[in-house]
Amino acid sequence: DAKTTQPPSMDCAEGRAANLPCNHSTISGNEYVYWYRQIHSQGPQYIIHGLKNNETNEMASLIITEDRKSSTLILPHATLRDTAVYYCIVRPGGSQGNLIFGKGTKLSVKP
Amino acid sequence: EPEVTQTPSHQVTQMGQEVILRCVPISNHLYFYWYRQILGQKVEFLVSFYNNEISEKSEIFDDQFSVERPDGSNFTLKIRSTKLEDSAMYFCASSEAPSGRTTGELFFGEGSRLTVL
Repeated sequence: DAKTTQPPSMDCAEGRAANLPCNHSTISGNEYVYWYRQIHSQGPQYIIHGLKNNETNEMASLIITEDRKSSTLILPHATLRDTAVYYCIVRPGGSQGNLIFGKGTKLSVKP
Repeated sequence: EPEVTQTPSHQVTQMGQEVILRCVPISNHLYFYWYRQILGQKVEFLVSFYNNEISEKSEIFDDQFSVERPDGSNFTLKIRSTKLEDSAMYFCASSEAPSGRTTGELFFGEGSRLTVL
């Protein structure tokens, strides 16, 4: 079973920041937080991952709380093409173990 | 940008027939996966494959399923005798060998939609 909890859905206005929360209170010391998204019925797409420090790449920023029990994915300027289901997944870093997908958060970006 | 490719994009088959779904992983990747997603449901892990053998499989991956890497490029999923409940989108994914330099990310293909009648 997925080890994370996410809200089932969220709305965001186009051009505004989308902040997607994730709870992972049972995360262990060697587990990273990964974020993927799935646009419509396409294959899941990697967004970002982190261990304990905040991370930023060209797609998003990841803010992880100091106790590592929760995190927030930030899309700084959401566009209509960011409408997707966003999955927060915990997984041992550098491992090739499989990803366990939960139900994710359905983000709807509205004009 | 390198990508995982899957064929066919859509296959319709009769119940009881054998189906083979094909995947071409990214060329320097050594770990391969199959996932499935029944319409409206979660993405579910089926199997992972490394060094020509299954490294992990879920309870979904029963004796009706098999995987193979018949040559240096293809990775296939075979369903021996399809059932109605096998109707789903099947996603192939690949990742690099373990390394401190890798992100551990899986790259997914666009999926093969299987419809069993």
